[in-house]
Amino acid sequence: DVKVTQSSRYLVKRTGEKVFLECVQDMDHENMFWYRQDPGLGLRLIYFSYDVKMKEKGDIPEGYSVSREKKERFSLILESASTNQTSMYLCASSREAGREAFFGQGTRLTVV
Amino acid sequence: GENVEQHPSTLSVQEGDSAVIKCTYSDSASNYFPWYKQELGKRPQLIIDIRSNVGEKKDQRIAVTLNKTAKHFSLHITETQPEDSAVYFCAASLLSGYSTLTFGKGTMLLVSP
Repeated sequence: DVKVTQSSRYLVKRTGEKVFLECVQDMDHENMFWYRQDPGLGLRLIYFSYDVKMKEKGDIPEGYSVSREKKERFSLILESASTNQTSMYLCASSREAGREAFFGQGTRLTVV
Repeated sequence: GENVEQHPSTLSVQEGDSAVIKCTYSDSASNYFPWYKQELGKRPQLIIDIRSNVGEKKDQRIAVTLNKTAKHFSLHITETQPEDSAVYFCAASLLSGYSTLTFGKGTMLLVSP
C-alpha cells in the first residue's frame, strides 16, 4: 500500500509566522503535489515537483514556496502566514505524470 | 489550461436509488479521467478511472461513462447505500509530459436510509 504521510493533522499558527508542512511518501514516486482544499472550491494545486530539487507552480502559488531535497519528502512553506491561508492542505504523490494520485491525510491549518 | 466543471454540488438520494454526477472538461487533449471519493475527515481515494480509448467502465455498483466528442464524463452509482455518502471529485489530465490532474469542485452525496 502506498503511504503518504503528512507531519501534522492540525496546526494553529499566528499571522506572520513561517510555517512548514511536511510530507513523506514511501513508494519511490517521482511526482509530488501540494493541494489546498476549501469548501465549494474543490482541490486547487499550489505547487508540484517531478524530481528532486525541481518545482513547478500550480494554480495558486502566491504566498507559498516548496522544497524537495529528497525524493520521498516534499515540504510546503508559508513564508509569512496570513488568515486567508487558513485551509486544509493535502499532499499527494503519483508514479506517472497526470496519473492516479495518492493523498496524505491532510493538515488543517488555522492562522490566527 | 484544463478546466473541469462538476454538477451537482450536492445530491441527496434515498437508499437504493441511483446517483449520477456529471463533469465536463475543456481540453480535448485530456485522456485520463479519475474519480475520487472523500469520506468525512478522510483523504480522497481513487474509486474508478477511465482512459479516453474506452467509453464505459464498471466496477460492481459504480460505473463511469465518457463522451469524448461532447467532452463530458459521468459517475453512476447504483443501489446506493449510506456508506456511499461522501464528497466525490472528478478530474482530468493528459497522460504525458509534466501533466497534472485538474479537479472539479466536488459533489456532496448524501444517502438517506
